[in-house]
Amino acid sequence: QQQVKQSPQSLIVQKGGISIINCAYENTAFDYFPWYQQFPGKGPALLIAIRPDVSEKKEGRFTISFNKSAKQFSLHIMDSQPGDSATYFCAASRRGNEKLTFGTGTRLTIIP
Amino acid sequence: NAGVTQTPKFRILKIGQSMTLQCTQDMNHNYMYWYRQDPGMGLKLIYYSVGAGITDKGEVPNGYNVSRSTTEDFPLRLELAAPSQTSVYFCASKGASTEAFFGQGTRLTVV
Repeated sequence: QQQVKQSPQSLIVQKGGISIINCAYENTAFDYFPWYQQFPGKGPALLIAIRPDVSEKKEGRFTISFNKSAKQFSLHIMDSQPGDSATYFCAASRRGNEKLTFGTGTRLTIIP
Repeated sequence: NAGVTQTPKFRILKIGQSMTLQCTQDMNHNYMYWYRQDPGMGLKLIYYSVGAGITDKGEVPNGYNVSRSTTEDFPLRLELAAPSQTSVYFCASKGASTEAFFGQGTRLTVV
């Protein structure tokens, strides 16, 4: 049973465009939703995270939008740059159970 | 700051061989995790630990064992390597109110 579903599997965006990656979760007890960025040959690194008490969080060009009633959250990358080309993972966990459940990942490619 | 250190970075094993993937962290984190990453499958939790002396199974524990004798170290043991264990393995650690930090990974091939 996959508790966090991520789409699309791969995404190609032109430089300067908006990249959007979506995730949906099943477990309503989840209360922490991070996004991880992974470059080839490296481990994932935290990019941005949100808790369900807010509907949006922005850090620079990266924004998480969160819809609690739909059990969905998404990552928006504004003004996408070639350096953003990486694999992105959404994840979820709940307080008191510190295990992260990951989505299947999205390979993002930004083309000039 | 070393963070989370995994060794080795690469390893080729023959079917039936055993090995230990090493993981150490210097951030005094209580929580430690082992994930495997397969193409298109995301990261699957193998085992995790909430503190020294305490370990528990994740989603895909079969074929693996762990121990946590100290806060810093969380080795993953493969007893009888099988081709299905060909994967990239990541160790991670986390504090009570911090993000999870990942190591650089170990790419394991079983032939």
